[in-house]
Amino acid sequence: GAGVSQTPSNKVTEKGKYVELRCDPISGHTALYWYRQSLGQGPEFLIYFQGTGAADDSGLPNDRFFAVRPEGSVSTLKIQRTERGDSAVYLCASRKTSGGNTNEQFFGPGTRLTVL
Amino acid sequence: AQRVTQPEKLLSVFKGAPVELKCNYSYSGSPELFWYVQYSRQRLQLLLRHISRESIKGFTADLNKGETSFHLKKPFAQEEDSAMYYCALLAYSGAGSYQLTFGKGTKLSVIP
Repeated sequence: GAGVSQTPSNKVTEKGKYVELRCDPISGHTALYWYRQSLGQGPEFLIYFQGTGAADDSGLPNDRFFAVRPEGSVSTLKIQRTERGDSAVYLCASRKTSGGNTNEQFFGPGTRLTVL
Repeated sequence: AQRVTQPEKLLSVFKGAPVELKCNYSYSGSPELFWYVQYSRQRLQLLLRHISRESIKGFTADLNKGETSFHLKKPFAQEEDSAMYYCALLAYSGAGSYQLTFGKGTKLSVIP
């Protein structure tokens, strides 16, 4: 079946602009995660959704970052007033919460965000 | 707070030589550890997890709670093992969920 997909694959924007990054999880996976990976670093947790609700948003760096998952499937990460320091690869992962191996997260290809 | 340390940014070995990628962690609870791998131009994928005690692609990793380590080992490196390897710890965030905390990664380069 199809894996996690993310669009766009690359996004270049100017400082101060608003961006939206989309994640389409594996069908049936109720848990969804967003991570940010800066150059030379491992992925860093941003936010976790269980179904439609944000169960844990403790990783969001500030209030310019927001994410939604209105129907419990596709999620959108929104960044307002982008700053050059927001440049990174944004990864999405999904996980099933019933059946075997429920701790395995499946990652998307990422969106590379560049803020000029 | 939990932490994962991968001391080597880059590890180069010759084909057929043994490989050991180091990972140390700090966590006050009961740890669950993973190794993720990212091959060139591919997405991050799970390689193995400590609770499975399995060998994947010839790799093994043993959790040593005394040394707080979860080193990844393979007796004979292959060229196709060249990739970025991330050690990750599943830990309670204190905010209602379990989160994966990743190390900075080690780039393994296998020299033919």
